Amino acid sequence: AQSVSQHNHHVILSEAASLELGCNYSYGGTVNLFWYVQYPGQHLQLLLKYFSGDPLVKGIKGFEAEFIKSKFSFNLRKPSVQWSDTAEYFCAVKKNYGQNFVFGPGTRLSVLP
Amino acid sequence: NAGVTQTPKFQVLKTGQSMTLQCAQDMNHNSMYWYRQDPGMGLRLIYYSASEGTTDKGEVPNGYNVSRLNKREFSLRLESAAPSQTSVYFCASSEGAGTNEQYFGPGTRLTVT
Repeated sequence: AQSVSQHNHHVILSEAASLELGCNYSYGGTVNLFWYVQYPGQHLQLLLKYFSGDPLVKGIKGFEAEFIKSKFSFNLRKPSVQWSDTAEYFCAVKKNYGQNFVFGPGTRLSVLP
Repeated sequence: NAGVTQTPKFQVLKTGQSMTLQCAQDMNHNSMYWYRQDPGMGLRLIYYSASEGTTDKGEVPNGYNVSRLNKREFSLRLESAAPSQTSVYFCASSEGAGTNEQYFGPGTRLTVT
């Protein structure tokens, strides 16, 4: 079965530190990849997505992610985090056909002011 | 546009009680989804509806039923609630199959005692 893993359960950073959150998936075919963010008490919002083309995709709020097909990875990065980035981050994978999205377990990011 | 709306926001049930969670979207999307979110497990798909008139099981359908009432509305029913169904439930919608992202509602926090 297709699965999505996220390397870190909880990451704690100081403001201005760089961020990288890992995401790996197990499906071998063509996939669409997403990162969602859930701020405290809010619903999930899309940060960025990859469908095809340039494997480095840029999203909102200064986030970017790189798709490395050979490693089945789609890691999320931000060069300098802010306190307002404190949230839970979910990686999601969708096969290029069909309806099902598969979400990773999430990584909680705490940014200390 | 309100996007995806869910009612109620909070609910407490006793074991064995039944209830229906309501979801509506005003984006004219074809596909709708129900997820449950549990700590450390990310989002797991309960049921989805690829288009009006169709529904399919997701990863964790047991104990739930759904109805795609029309294109806008997709309800989730718990016939006989169990403590294991204590969770946060999210409804989502997307334009359809393919590369479309999902848009999420604000969630319903359900506690079964």
